[in-house]
Parts: sequence; structure tokens; C-alpha cells
Amino acid sequence: AQSVTQPDIHITVSEGASLELRCNYSYGATPYLFWYVQSPGQGLQLLLKYFSGDTLVQGIKGFEAEFKRSQSSFNLRKPSVHWSDAAEYFCAVGAQGSQGNLIFGKGTKLSVKP
Amino acid sequence: GAGVSQSPSNKVTEKGKDVELRCDPISGHTALYWYRQSLGQGLEFLIYFQGNSAPDKSGLPSDRFSAERTGGSVSTLTIQRTQQEDSAVYLCASSLAAGGAYNEQFFGPGTRLTVL
Repeated sequence: AQSVTQPDIHITVSEGASLELRCNYSYGATPYLFWYVQSPGQGLQLLLKYFSGDTLVQGIKGFEAEFKRSQSSFNLRKPSVHWSDAAEYFCAVGAQGSQGNLIFGKGTKLSVKP
Repeated sequence: GAGVSQSPSNKVTEKGKDVELRCDPISGHTALYWYRQSLGQGLEFLIYFQGNSAPDKSGLPSDRFSAERTGGSVSTLTIQRTQQEDSAVYLCASSLAAGGAYNEQFFGPGTRLTVL
């Protein structure tokens, strides 16, 4: 069965520090991988996605993620965190089959210290 | 343009009552998805529509849950005889088409359902 694991429930970083949010997936084929961000009271916004090709993908708001097939990982990174990045981050994999629904991890809540 | 809208934004109901949650997708989007976000459980896929049809209803947690979509646009998720475990945020998303997750899904702000 397909699944996504985000091992860190809550992470706190200082403003200006670097960030890495971990994501591991279980999938039988080449996955479609996504990172979404959810700010308080808001819907989910797509940060970036990986379908194929270059394993380092760039997204919005200065985020990037690297697909590592050997580690079944798709970690999200940002070199310098801003206070406005405080939110909950969800990693997701596109389900097998044609319907296209997403399977999400349980999320990592990011807090940013001034 | 307008994004995905959902109503109501908040709904408080008593156990045993029926509720209807509405989703208005982005105009022209043929695929529509419902997800449930429960505390500590992440997001759980419920059902998907391509046009007006729902090819796969296996994600619905019980037969108290049903959904329909009319005119290829607005969708309604109905929960009958609500239980406390139904308390969650219900999110709707739409995309240009189904046929693979490579079509970006745009999410609405959700409906927070509280069952007392």
C-alpha cells in the first residue's frame, strides 16, 4: 500500500536558519511527489512537485526538494527561514491509477523563533 | 480568478443530525476531490468526481457519508446521523482533469465540522 511518512510532528527553527523537513514514501512505481503548505485557517497551497527528470526541484517561496529514489525520500529544504514560513507542511504522493487523488503524510508543524 | 470555495466555513451540529457541506470548484475544472483532515490524522482521501460521476467511493468512511455533483460543478458532501468522530475539517480540491496526479489540485479553505 502506498504511504507517506513525515517523522517530525513539530520543528522549531530560528529565523534565518536553514530548514529541512523529512518525507519518506512507500510506492510501487515512480511516484508523483508533492509538498503543500497550510497556514492557519487557510487551504493547502502547492509548494512544489516532482514527476520526473531532475531530482532537485525548485518551488515557490524559496523552497526546494530533492527526490532520492534509493532512500525513498523527498525532503523539503529552505536555506533561510522567514517568520512567515511558520505553518504546517504536508508531503504527498499521487495515488496509483488514473483518479489522481493524493496520499498525504500527517504533516510537520513549523514554528519560527525570532 | 476565483478559487475553490466551500460553505459553510464552520458548522456545529448535534450528534445524530444530518449535515451538508458544499464545494464550488474552479470554473472549468472537471475533477473534484473531497478530503478529511482530522486532528493528528493528516489528510484522508474520501471521494473523487470526474464530471458528475464518482468512479471510486471506497474512501468514504461509512455508509453515512455520501456525495454528489451536479452539472459538473458544485458538489455536496452529506453526512447522515453525525457522530463525534466525524468532527474534522473537510477539504475540497479541484483540478483541470483527473487522469493522474500530475494535474495540480487547488484546495478550498475547508469546512470545520464540530459534532457535539
